[in-house]
Amino acid sequence: SQQGEEDPQALSIQEGENATMNCSYKTSINNLQWYRQNSGRGLVHLILIRSNEREKHSGRLRVTLDTSKKSSSLLITASRAADTASYFCGDGRETSGSRLTFGEGTQLTVNP
Amino acid sequence: NAGVTQTPKFQVLKTGQSMTLQCAQDMNHNSMYWYRQDPGMGLRLIYYSASEGTTDKGEVPNGYNVSRLNKREFSLRLESAAPSQTSVYFCASSEDLRATDTQYFGPGTRLTVL
Repeated sequence: SQQGEEDPQALSIQEGENATMNCSYKTSINNLQWYRQNSGRGLVHLILIRSNEREKHSGRLRVTLDTSKKSSSLLITASRAADTASYFCGDGRETSGSRLTFGEGTQLTVNP
Repeated sequence: NAGVTQTPKFQVLKTGQSMTLQCAQDMNHNSMYWYRQDPGMGLRLIYYSASEGTTDKGEVPNGYNVSRLNKREFSLRLESAAPSQTSVYFCASSEDLRATDTQYFGPGTRLTVL
């Protein structure tokens, strides 16, 4: 069954703007991982946030986790054309180990 | 390091033909995975291998077989291809099967079954 579900399905912004993507999941998690996929390429790991963390930063990325709402958000600040990609969340659960369940992703387009 | 490599990059098959997708990693990882990615369906796990010598079914294993040839290599075989298997296939690896382990993905194989 699909666990991580990203929202919105597509997002188009101008360079320099911030982009926010959301992820919802259904059951308890150990962590949530965000990945990026450039067109025609494999997924690349961006950031992992553990279930006991509320916020995490990595460069221009900011991830929040609300376990009470079973949701996470990925914020990309000061976006660049090179950020154009699909973004996926994958949930890590103790029962399934590293076998993540991915949603359909959010397609982000950053216009120059 | 090449990371995770996959061959071939593209393949066209006729219904009923067989083929093997190859995957290799040079990161000394114990665990490896095969996913398929379809429009509107996201990535779905086909099979995985927790460690050398073991394989297990994922979410959508029907129509596929796998072999963990050694620690580096994990192949996916389609015995009798069907149009429903038209997809992009990704191989991935991780250090182990822990929930916190990051997965590293290959570039994918785009398969079309006519």
